[in-house]
Amino acid sequence: QKEVEQNSGPLSVPEGAIASLNCTYSDRGSQSFFWYRQYSGKSPELIMSIYSNGDKEDGRFTAQLNKASQYVSLLIRDSQPSDSATYLCAVIPGGYQKVTFGTGTKLQVIP
Amino acid sequence: GAVVSQHPSRVICKSGTSVKIECRSLDFQATTMFWYRQFPKKSLMLMATSNEGSKATYEQGVEKDKFLINHASLTLSTLTVTSAHPEDSSFYICSARDRAGGNEQYFGPGTRLTVT
Repeated sequence: QKEVEQNSGPLSVPEGAIASLNCTYSDRGSQSFFWYRQYSGKSPELIMSIYSNGDKEDGRFTAQLNKASQYVSLLIRDSQPSDSATYLCAVIPGGYQKVTFGTGTKLQVIP
Repeated sequence: GAVVSQHPSRVICKSGTSVKIECRSLDFQATTMFWYRQFPKKSLMLMATSNEGSKATYEQGVEKDKFLINHASLTLSTLTVTSAHPEDSSFYICSARDRAGGNEQYFGPGTRLTVT
């Protein structure tokens, strides 16, 4: 079982819709969770961090964490073509300092 | 805030030569920096974790004598690719963790290395 799992996609959504990106992780002791956006040929950019169960909102982005289900998601409201990128879920397993990245979900927002 | 720079952004070198890549945290102090490489359409691969003032911790399969890492200050880490070969051609990305912050990692813009 991979430590951090994401559907590779592509996930296609029409412009203006809500994009929902999902991620599961295997280490129940994980405490830190992140979402990064990576455009083709560029380095990852931190979008959100979340540490507690529940929702965390920042502009059009909402991160959701459910530690009991070992599940973290990212919702993007009012999706724009500029949101088209690969979204990386990242987790710090319990007792470690380094981040484990998922393989990423490619999002395509169709104008 | 939380800006990380890398230099150079792009480098072409000949086989057998060495290339140094610098990673700097511009507006924060980073006790820990990380070096990744990424092949086209592939995932990030962690190469090593670098703590200021101590030896880097390399991931399994990464040759420490080939990829020399120095983290001499709280704002600078360098990666030197020694005796470069064409298979070392890749996108090298550093990231840094803010000493005063949480567990977030901030990435530099990356260095695209081409070995001819």
